[in-house]
Amino acid sequence: NAGVTQTPKFQVLKTGQSMTLQCAQDMNHEYMSWYRQDPGMGLRLIHYSVGAGITDQGEVPNGYNVSRSTTEDFPLRLLSAAPSQTSVYFCASSYEAREGYTFGSGTRLTVV
Amino acid sequence: AQKVTQAQTEISVVEKEDVTLDCVYETRDTTYYLFWYKQPPSGELVFLIRRNSFDEQNEISGRYSWNFQKSTSSFNFTITASQVVDSAVYFCALSIDSNDYKLSFGAGTTVTVRA
Repeated sequence: NAGVTQTPKFQVLKTGQSMTLQCAQDMNHEYMSWYRQDPGMGLRLIHYSVGAGITDQGEVPNGYNVSRSTTEDFPLRLLSAAPSQTSVYFCASSYEAREGYTFGSGTRLTVV
Repeated sequence: AQKVTQAQTEISVVEKEDVTLDCVYETRDTTYYLFWYKQPPSGELVFLIRRNSFDEQNEISGRYSWNFQKSTSSFNFTITASQVVDSAVYFCALSIDSNDYKLSFGAGTTVTVRA
């Protein structure tokens, strides 16, 4: 049982490049979320999904896209990377959101 | 809207000292859930505890204890007899029924335990 798997673990992008952060879970969880972690700001919600085909914006959605075509996968796309998107990104999933979330190990992204 | 405040940015203690982390939350919902997560230097987020708004009982798990007080909107976390392995960033978080139970995090408190 792998839990929540994020790839890659580290990535360096040049300003303007695009990329997709992958997130997969094998626990049949309906709820999935993407957070970014920045120093002194805790974790902030980017996008979330309450099931396949359903996504919605969180607190800081600008510059990011998501889709949820399957229950297992919830990729996060950076459309045109900016230095302000340098951060650590966490994917999380939950069977019942009120029970709390299981987090992936994170992706450290640097945009130069 | 909901908000979580962790006023302590950093706490440094000597091993075996007790340390208390403060968490104050704001919400208008009557049904909500509070969480504590630990982020050790390796970077992963580890779930510690979940408490719902209808259960004000304090909880103890080994050296960890939690004090939930609705009257002051606080959910404080105490580590008794701290150890070097307790060094981590600790996050308090809140989710509410009316917001799809999305987690709102505090800024985190960095705990450093010195040998």
